Amino acid sequence: SQKIEQNSEALNIQEGKTATLTCNYTNYSPAYLQWYRQDPGRGPVFLLLIRENEKEKRKERLKVTFDTTLKQSLFHITASQPADSATYLCALDTSGGYNKLIFGAGTRLAVHP
Amino acid sequence: EAGVTQFPSHSVIEKGQTVTLRCDPISGHDNLYWYRRVMGKEIKFLLHFVKESKQDESGMPNNRFLAERTGGTYSTLKVQPAELEDSGVYFCASSRSYGRGETQYFGPGTRLLVL
Repeated sequence: SQKIEQNSEALNIQEGKTATLTCNYTNYSPAYLQWYRQDPGRGPVFLLLIRENEKEKRKERLKVTFDTTLKQSLFHITASQPADSATYLCALDTSGGYNKLIFGAGTRLAVHP
Repeated sequence: EAGVTQFPSHSVIEKGQTVTLRCDPISGHDNLYWYRRVMGKEIKFLLHFVKESKQDESGMPNNRFLAERTGGTYSTLKVQPAELEDSGVYFCASSRSYGRGETQYFGPGTRLLVL
C-alpha cells in the first residue's frame, strides 16, 4: 500500500544543534517533494521543494535531501532556535505537476533554550 | 499582498445541518485547492480548481460535498447534510499556476465540528 511516514514522536533538541527530520515513502514515485511548517491554529507554510532529479536543496539554515532509491527525504535545520519549534510536514506531488499534494502526518519539533 | 483567507474560522453545527465554507485565494491565483485534516489524520487533498473549472475532484469523499468557484475568484465548499465524521480542519490553498513545483499558499483553515 502507499504511505508516507514521518517520525511520529516529537523531536526535542537543544538550541544551536541541528535538527534532522525524516520522511519515508513507499509505493509512490513523486516528481517533487515539499516540506512545510505548520504552527498551531495555522495553515501549512511552504519551506522548500526538491525535484526527483535533485539530491540536495538549501535555503538559509534549511537543507533538504532527496534519495529516490531509498525513497527518503531528510530535512535539516542547522543552528536551531526556539522559534523553529513547530510541526514539519513533508508532502509528495505525484500528479505530474498538478500540485495534488499527499501529506505525511508531520513531526513536531521542540527546540529548547 | 493579502494571503489566502477562509471564513468562518470555526463552525459548530449539528448532524444533518448544512455548512458552507468560503475561501478567498490570493489575487491573481488561478489555482485553488481544498484539503482537510480529520482528527488524528494527515492532511488530505479534496479537489483542485483551475479558474472556475474543476481540474481534479478525486479527493471529494462523497456527494454530500459540493465545491464551487463561480467566476474563478473565491470558492465555497458546502457540506449537506453534515455527518459526525466531517469534523476536522478544512484548508484552502492557492497557486498562481500549476506548473511543476508551483508553491501553494495555504489559508489558516476552518475548524468544523459536527455534533
